[in-house]
Amino acid sequence: QKEVEQNSGPLSVPEGAIASLNCTYSDRGSQSFFWYRQYSGKSPELIMSIYSNGDKEDGRFTAQLNKASQYVSLLIRDSQPSDSATYLCAMNIGPNSGGSNYKLTFGKGTLLTVNP
Amino acid sequence: DAGVIQSPRHEVTEMGQEVTLRCKPISGHNSLFWYRQTMMRGLELLIYFNNNVPIDDSGMPEDRFSAKMPNASFSTLKIQPSEPRDSAVYFCASTWGLGLEAFFGQGTRLTVV
Repeated sequence: QKEVEQNSGPLSVPEGAIASLNCTYSDRGSQSFFWYRQYSGKSPELIMSIYSNGDKEDGRFTAQLNKASQYVSLLIRDSQPSDSATYLCAMNIGPNSGGSNYKLTFGKGTLLTVNP
Repeated sequence: DAGVIQSPRHEVTEMGQEVTLRCKPISGHNSLFWYRQTMMRGLELLIYFNNNVPIDDSGMPEDRFSAKMPNASFSTLKIQPSEPRDSAVYFCASTWGLGLEAFFGQGTRLTVV
C-alpha cells in the first residue's frame, strides 16, 4: 500500500494559468505536510508546509489540506515558465504508526511544465 | 548558514568497492535523513537519526548499507560492497525538530560500474 500518492503527470499549463497539484495519503495519523520543488539535476527545495486543515497562502502558492478526505493540494497562480519543475508532496507519518514516529515520506512527484 | 553539505558531489566506483558518502547537517538541527532517488522508485527514505540515534532503518535495502552519526555535525552512509543497482542520487536532509521542515543537501550522484 502506497503511503503517499501523486498524479505522476506530466502536467502542462500555459503561462499565467493556475496549476493544480494533488496528493493523497493513507495514514490518518499524518500530521505535517510539505510541498517541495525539484528542478532537474537539483535537490528538493521546500516551498510550503501545512499542519492544519484549510488553506495556507504564500505569494502565488496556496496549499490546501483536508485531513478528513486525506488529501493535500498545491495551487500555483499566475504560473511562470520558471515554475517548471517536479513537485513533491511529503509528510510525516506521525507518532501513532508504530515503530517509526516521524518518517518523512515523499510521493513520486508531478512534473509541471509551464509553456510561454 | 551554509546549509546541508554533502560530499562528494559525484562518485564513480567499480562494482565491489566500498563507497562512503558524507553529510554535515545544518548547525542546530537534531534530526538527519538519508534518501536515495532514482527515476523508477522516486525518493526513498533509507534511515533517519534523531539526536544522533538511528530511529528507523527499515528503508536500508540490504546489509551492504550502513549509516552512522557519531556526532551532531556529521553522518556517513556506507555501501560495501557496491553494486551497479546502487547507482542513484543520495540525499541527506536535516531538520531542527521531528515533524518540521527538512532541508536537503545538494546530493551525491553515485555511479557503480
